Amino acid sequence: AQKITQTQPGMFVQEKEAVTLDCTYDTSDPSYGLFWYKQPSSGEMIFLIYQGSYDQQNATEGRYSLNFQKARKSANLVISASQLGDSAMYFCAMRERNYGQNFVFGPGTRLSVLP
Amino acid sequence: DVKVTQSSRYLVKRTGEKVFLECVQDMDHENMFWYRQDPGLGLRLIYFSYDVKMKEKGDIPEGYSVSREKKERFSLILESASTNQTSMYLCASSHRDSPEDEQFFGPGTRLTVL
Repeated sequence: AQKITQTQPGMFVQEKEAVTLDCTYDTSDPSYGLFWYKQPSSGEMIFLIYQGSYDQQNATEGRYSLNFQKARKSANLVISASQLGDSAMYFCAMRERNYGQNFVFGPGTRLSVLP
Repeated sequence: DVKVTQSSRYLVKRTGEKVFLECVQDMDHENMFWYRQDPGLGLRLIYFSYDVKMKEKGDIPEGYSVSREKKERFSLILESASTNQTSMYLCASSHRDSPEDEQFFGPGTRLTVL
């Protein structure tokens, strides 16, 4: 079974608008971390934001925020005020304590920001 | 500035050749990982290592082996390259054990097997 689901293969957003990228996950481990990474066309994976399963508040990092709904097992990434440089692949990933070192990645969403 | 480096950005090899992909990290991380990335499939874990000389199979280890003789270096070996191993290969590292420790990635190696 898929542990990380990203249902949007591709998304378009107008520059300066906000966009939400969806991520749902599946785990029975009470302790886990959720991550979002950005991969521009250059190929390098860039860490954006982290949310812990016990965190009471949604994580925020600059223009990035995470809409964490634990009961629904969703961790959507919100990018505010989109910029052309935000055009990239975005991956949601999970690390479970019971699985130690291992990360599981979703299939990714390709975001295109339109001028 | 933390860094994960990979030996090549682009590599072209012939079917049957032995291929070495090298990864080095300077963050004293215990864990190191090799992934392959293919369109529509995301990142799939090939092998990871949580200590020197230790290794664990990931989701798709067939056709690959790894070596970790030093803490900072993790090598991926394709014993006999095949065309279905044409892919982007990403190396990553992280500290051990805490769910909040992110993975740091190298720039990737795009391997083409002819």
